[in-house]
Amino acid sequence: GDSVTQMEGPVTLSEEAFLTINCTYTATGYPSLFWYVQYPGEGLQLLLKATKADDKGSNKGFEATYRKETTSFHLEKGSVQVSDSAVYFCALSNTGNQFYFGTGTSLTVIP
Amino acid sequence: ETGVTQTPRHLVMGMTNKKSLKCEQHLGHNAMYWYKQSAKKPLELMFVYSLEERVENNSVPSRFSPECPNSSHLFLHLHTLQPEDSALYLCASSQVIRLSPLHFGNGTRLTVT
Repeated sequence: GDSVTQMEGPVTLSEEAFLTINCTYTATGYPSLFWYVQYPGEGLQLLLKATKADDKGSNKGFEATYRKETTSFHLEKGSVQVSDSAVYFCALSNTGNQFYFGTGTSLTVIP
Repeated sequence: ETGVTQTPRHLVMGMTNKKSLKCEQHLGHNAMYWYKQSAKKPLELMFVYSLEERVENNSVPSRFSPECPNSSHLFLHLHTLQPEDSALYLCASSQVIRLSPLHFGNGTRLTVT
């Protein structure tokens, strides 16, 4: 069945460091791919999405490219800030009724 | 008010209690969902409603009973819960049932004692 695997955390970075959070997926057909972010005490918020191969989703300095050949959707940011500290979830949606989420990667950015 | 609103934010209940979680969305969406979020586990989809009709029930125990009286409101009725049911319960909505992004509420932190 469909599934998402993302790198385990926690990840700790200094401010202005480069961020990569790896995400790979297994799915039939042509799923849509998403990154969600969860700040402490809140629900998940959509960060970015891509709906077809080679699409690049971007928002707030974060980017991810839908790579069908490697079944990946890695999240990147060139210079992280303390305010980016949160848990990040990779997810996919296919033709069924549900989303498939990864287990989440906790990011802490220190000044 | 916009977005998805969940009440209460926190709930502590004994195993013999009956309580309800409420979710309201102000986005004009047609689909609503209940998810369970436990530490170190992926989000677990519990129920999906599309146009007030339940379309998914992921083998959830009968002590959880959903209700969707209209496309803007979703309830989760709880009774005789177990301590392992303690978790963050998240409500979400989407424009249509497939492929469109989910919009989440802030969740209800449930503790069963």
